[in-house]
Amino acid sequence: AQKITQTQPGMFVQEKEAVTLDCTYDTSDQSYGLFWYKQPSSGEMIFLIYQGSYDEQNATEGRYSLNFQKARKSANLVISASQLGDSAMYFCAMSPTSYGKLTFGQGTILTVHP
Amino acid sequence: DTGVSQDPRHKITKRGQNVTFRCDPISEHNRLYWYRQTLGQGPEFLTYFQNEAQLEKSRLLSDRFSAERPKGSFSTLEIQRTEQGDSAMYLCASGAGDEQYFGPGTRLTVT
Repeated sequence: AQKITQTQPGMFVQEKEAVTLDCTYDTSDQSYGLFWYKQPSSGEMIFLIYQGSYDEQNATEGRYSLNFQKARKSANLVISASQLGDSAMYFCAMSPTSYGKLTFGQGTILTVHP
Repeated sequence: DTGVSQDPRHKITKRGQNVTFRCDPISEHNRLYWYRQTLGQGPEFLTYFQNEAQLEKSRLLSDRFSAERPKGSFSTLEIQRTEQGDSAMYLCASGAGDEQYFGPGTRLTVT
């Protein structure tokens, strides 16, 4: 079984500053994928970034980077230069492979202040 | 690329009625997933198709739920004899490579 834990129910950040959203996971699988999604108030799930368990380099996509620490089983999302439009719910998720079903955490609500 | 689409976006039904939702994945994606999301929670996996084959079903998918993907393109999710506990957002996702892309969801309200 896989489990995702997001311990921050809510986070606040000032516009233009960086913020880290925490995610830890538990799995007995050797190969797995880690994902982050953004869900604005409109409800759609927006794919942000993916990290494979065998990828040695941390994934980056524009202002998003995934701080992957395999030994600590953590996959934190770093958002640089926060924008007002980044205010949303953020979900960490994992799958047993890169193509399997996703198991989601409880989410973190990010609020960006001007 | 028009993305994943779902229809309807909202459905209100009375308890005991049957409902059917449709998902059209991104055209070149052969993997299709259904998830359910209740308020304040992360999505929960329901079922997964590879082309037309249903490869995995969650125990959340009771015998009142059935999903099909008859020609490996669009998929339908039917809920029979709806209950108030079925009220949720039903999300469809399609996948290629390492990524899964979600549709806008169908919000079901059972009164």
